[in-house]
Amino acid sequence: SQKIEQNSEALNIQEGKTATLTCNYTNYSPAYLQWYRQDPGRGPVFLLLIRENEKEKRKERLKVTFDTTLKQSLFHITASQPADSATYLCALGGDKIIFGKGTRLHILP
Amino acid sequence: DSGVTQTPKHLITATGQRVTLRCSPRSGDLSVYWYQQSLDQGLQFLIQYYNGEERAKGNILERFSAQQFPDLHSELNLSSLELGDSALYFCASSRTHRSSYNEQFFGPGTRLTVL
Repeated sequence: SQKIEQNSEALNIQEGKTATLTCNYTNYSPAYLQWYRQDPGRGPVFLLLIRENEKEKRKERLKVTFDTTLKQSLFHITASQPADSATYLCALGGDKIIFGKGTRLHILP
Repeated sequence: DSGVTQTPKHLITATGQRVTLRCSPRSGDLSVYWYQQSLDQGLQFLIQYYNGEERAKGNILERFSAQQFPDLHSELNLSSLELGDSALYFCASSRTHRSSYNEQFFGPGTRLTVL
């Protein structure tokens, strides 16, 4: 069955450093991959979408890569700030969208 | 603010009961999605409606049903509630029916507690 894996353990990063989150998937060939941010008790907020024929996408301090051979996406936040602390979800798009369980990111001041 | 509204914000009920959750999509969005989020399962897709018609179905139990009305608002009905149904229920909307390349706008959620 289709499976998405995100690091279930929280990631602690020092302020100002680059945070890198990983999303791996199996038994799926998504045409698109999306990243969302979720704060406690709130709905997810869309960040970036990357298509299968795109290697990399950037938006301000955010960068996403998509490697369909490795079946992996990397999500980078450069010059991280405490306000970036949240849970980040990756989602695979095909006939329907499938979400990973997310990785909690803590940016330490 | 995403523009998606959900009511009620909190709901506490007993096992065996039936509840209705309501969602109003962003202005102009034709698709509505329902998700269930619990601590151990993450965000689980339940069902999608597009312009009043069921478009895609996920892991939705037979005890659950949904519909989208002509004004595009949607309702999720949960019946014969069990303790395990306690979760956050999110509604999301998007412009078209293609969930995979449309960003989804999520509502604030309804927290359901079944006692």
